[in-house]
Amino acid sequence: KNEVEQSPQNLTAQEGEFITINCSYSVGISALHWLQQHPGGGIVSLFMLSSGKKKHGRLIATINIQEKHSSLHITASHPRDSAVYICAVNGGATNKLIFGTGTLLAVQP
Amino acid sequence: EPEVTQTPSHQVTQMGQEVILRCVPISNHLYFYWYRQILGQKVEFLVSFYNNEISEKSEIFDDQFSVERPDGSNFTLKIRSTKLEDSAMYFCASGRDEVSTQHFGDGTRLSIL
Repeated sequence: KNEVEQSPQNLTAQEGEFITINCSYSVGISALHWLQQHPGGGIVSLFMLSSGKKKHGRLIATINIQEKHSSLHITASHPRDSAVYICAVNGGATNKLIFGTGTLLAVQP
Repeated sequence: EPEVTQTPSHQVTQMGQEVILRCVPISNHLYFYWYRQILGQKVEFLVSFYNNEISEKSEIFDDQFSVERPDGSNFTLKIRSTKLEDSAMYFCASGRDEVSTQHFGDGTRLSIL
């Protein structure tokens, strides 16, 4: 069983739609990260959070520590949001990242 | 904004050859990492490095792998005798402290023939 599970694996949305990507984890963590990977392969960090909620532009990330669950929301989605979104966690006693398999998002105009 | 840089962007090597992947982390960062991503799979941790020594390594990081910070700026990953299954995208990352945002380079695509 993967320590970090994401759903859905693939998501197609129409421009302007509200998007939610979910992440569940089974290990104790010190922090959870949301990252974006574009087709060229580069990885960009979007959020790091250990409690509550963070917002950056049209992106919102939330985490529920008790339920071991996090969500990434994209409001007013745009084709340039198309990418793979990856959830990763810092295990409690380590600073390495444990990655989920990613969610491939395609936003159609 | 400062960024992590990796060279080369693509490396093609014959099986059995040694390869060195290079990274320049962000200058005031203290924690350095290598990850790899086999095509179509998730990103996997290889090794973390702090205070000039390995702080953690995965099962993947066997005797064929080594890391070095030869000077104040570069961080290298060496694979001594490459195998076909080493073909992957290798990402370097750096962080300011132990649990902070890790900043990733654009990766080196390693192809073993």
